[in-house]
Amino acid sequence: SQTIHQWPATLVQPVGSPLSLECTVEGTSNPNLYWYRQAAGRGLQLLFYSVGIGQISSEVPQNLSASRPQDRQFILSSKKLLLSDSGFYLCAWSVPKGEERSYEQYFGPGTRLTVT
Amino acid sequence: AQKVTQAQTEISVVEKEDVTLDCVYETRDTTYYLFWYKQPPSGELVFLIRRNSFDEQNEISGRYSWNFQKSTSSFNFTITASQVVDSAVYFCALSGTNTGFQKLVFGTGTRLLVSP
Repeated sequence: SQTIHQWPATLVQPVGSPLSLECTVEGTSNPNLYWYRQAAGRGLQLLFYSVGIGQISSEVPQNLSASRPQDRQFILSSKKLLLSDSGFYLCAWSVPKGEERSYEQYFGPGTRLTVT
Repeated sequence: AQKVTQAQTEISVVEKEDVTLDCVYETRDTTYYLFWYKQPPSGELVFLIRRNSFDEQNEISGRYSWNFQKSTSSFNFTITASQVVDSAVYFCALSGTNTGFQKLVFGTGTRLLVSP
């Protein structure tokens, strides 16, 4: 079966510090990977998605970047955090496009980031 | 543009009551998928159901049932005989098929509080 991991679970960082959040998926190959942010009391906003190693697409301009160094690893980074970067970050995966189930996304446990 | 509206911000019920969560969507795609996700207090989004736009049959899974009505662009979710463990935020989501990847558009969620 497939599992998705995220770490750390919680993080408190000062403004201006760097950020690195990691997401890994097990039990599947060549997944599509996604990063979402959920601000307090609000819905989910898609930040980045990736259909393969080194292939990153950004949905919204922002202070963050993403990388996919390995097939099942997705990293969210920032060089200098802003207060507005606080939120709950969720990684998700789906099977590659080509079958109906590819439209289902499965989410990790999330990382709660507080920028102080 | 695609949009999902969950007009109910929060619903409170007493255990064993039935409750319906509303979801209205907008899309120009002829083929699309609708989803419901559950977000318990732990934060992880749990996939509940996927519905193809060509399949308007209602679905029942235990105490959960979904009513898809294309004519009113609605995909409502009913929990029968609610339980305290049903307390969570529930998200409705939409994915069109005309983009190059499987992008989920989420509603803002409905918080369900089930009291004993």
